[in-house]
Amino acid sequence: KNEVEQSPQNLTAQEGEFITINCSYSVGISALHWLQQHPGGGIVSLFMLSSGKKKHGRLIATINIQEKHSSLHITASHPRDSAVYICAVRSLQGAQKLVFGQGTRLTINP
Amino acid sequence: SAVISQKPSRDICQRGTSLTIQCQVDSQVTMMFWYRQQPGQSLTLIATANQGSEATYESGFVIDKFPISRPNLTFSTLTVSNMSPEDSSIYLCSAGTEVAFFGQGTRLTVV
Repeated sequence: KNEVEQSPQNLTAQEGEFITINCSYSVGISALHWLQQHPGGGIVSLFMLSSGKKKHGRLIATINIQEKHSSLHITASHPRDSAVYICAVRSLQGAQKLVFGQGTRLTINP
Repeated sequence: SAVISQKPSRDICQRGTSLTIQCQVDSQVTMMFWYRQQPGQSLTLIATANQGSEATYESGFVIDKFPISRPNLTFSTLTVSNMSPEDSSIYLCSAGTEVAFFGQGTRLTVV
C-alpha cells in the first residue's frame, strides 16, 4: 500500500461544477502539499497545510490530522483548471523528503 | 518564494549518450532535490543535493548513472548518463524545505 493515496485517479466534469480530490496518508507528517502539474510537466505549489483549511481564489484545501486525510476543492471549475493534481506529504521520518501520491488527472469540459 | 529555471525543457537523445539538466534558483537554498517521473507514474526522488557535499542518493539510484553537481547555493545539475529508452521520463528539480518550489521539468525521450 502506498503511503499516500489519492482518489479519484481520473475525474472529468463540466465547467462550473464543484470538484473534490481526496488524499489519505499513512505516516506521520509535518506538512502536506497540494501541487498542480500541467501537460508540459512543470509543477506549481498550490498549498502547504499542517492544520485546518486554506483558501486561494477558487481553491480550498483542508486537512484532518487525526484522520490523516486532506481534500482539495475547486469551486466554479473552468477548463483552465484541467491538470494533474498531486498530494505530497513531508514525512516526519526521512530527512524532509516529500512522498507523493499518484496524482488525479482532472479534465474540465466547456 | 523562489523561482527555479530548469533547462532544457525537453530533449530527444540517442541511447548511449548523456544529458545534463541545469537548475538555477533565484535565491540561495540549502537543499535541492532531483526527481524522476516516469510515464503515468508519480514523482520519485533520485537524490538530495547539498552545497559543498556529495549528493545523497535514494535506493535504486547511483552516482555513476546520475551524477549531480551543486557548486553553490543557487545552482545544481543532474546528468543522465549512458541513456537507454528506460530513462525516458520527466526530470524535475525542487528546492525548499517548507514550501516546495519546482522547476518546469525536463521531458527526456531516449531513442
